[in-house]
Amino acid sequence: AQSVAQPEDQVNVAEGNPLTVKCTYSVSGNPYLFWYVQYPNRGLQFLLKYITGDNLVKGSYGFEAEFNKSQTSFHLKKPSALVSDSALYFCAVRDMGKAAGNKLTFGGGTRVLVKP
Amino acid sequence: GAVVSQHPSRVICKSGTSVKIECRSLDFQATTMFWYRQFPKQSLMLMATSNEGSKATYEQGVEKDKFLINHASLTLSTLTVTSAHPEDSSFYICSAPKKDGTGGYTFGSGTRLTVV
Repeated sequence: AQSVAQPEDQVNVAEGNPLTVKCTYSVSGNPYLFWYVQYPNRGLQFLLKYITGDNLVKGSYGFEAEFNKSQTSFHLKKPSALVSDSALYFCAVRDMGKAAGNKLTFGGGTRVLVKP
Repeated sequence: GAVVSQHPSRVICKSGTSVKIECRSLDFQATTMFWYRQFPKQSLMLMATSNEGSKATYEQGVEKDKFLINHASLTLSTLTVTSAHPEDSSFYICSAPKKDGTGGYTFGSGTRLTVV
């Protein structure tokens, strides 16, 4: 079974400082990994994904994430956080093994609060 | 491209009534639609997977008779919450796999259901 863990319920950071949101995953096959952001009462907005290729993935709004196979991690990062980055962030994984189908499993979410 | 339109965005209904939520794929054919439920400040929990022309597959613990899913065409999937109760109040989101070969997903904007 596939699973995702986001160990931090909330991350607080000052504007202009680096932001990191942690994610670890577990799959039986190869993973597709995603990061989404959600604003209050809104759907999910895609930030970035890793499928194959370079371990460092660059996405929307200045975000990037690094795939680390040995640590089964896919942490989200932004060099300089903005107040407008305050939102709920979800890591998600799809197991590319045939038996897994195309279901997407989400982590518990991490609330990011960027203070001016 | 690959837009899923979800309606209504908000609905308030009385206990005992039924509510229908629609998700339409606007510019592609969605043979599969995932339905998620999200409680406040929590993650997205997969409720069921609908497939065009066949019965939906429900996750363990989800009542099939309470959450009726229909996927009668390649562009429309519906979730009907029958005999709604206050504990059914939640945020419901649909999602479809993209057909562009990227392995990504597109999400509806969500429906906030409040049962009074």
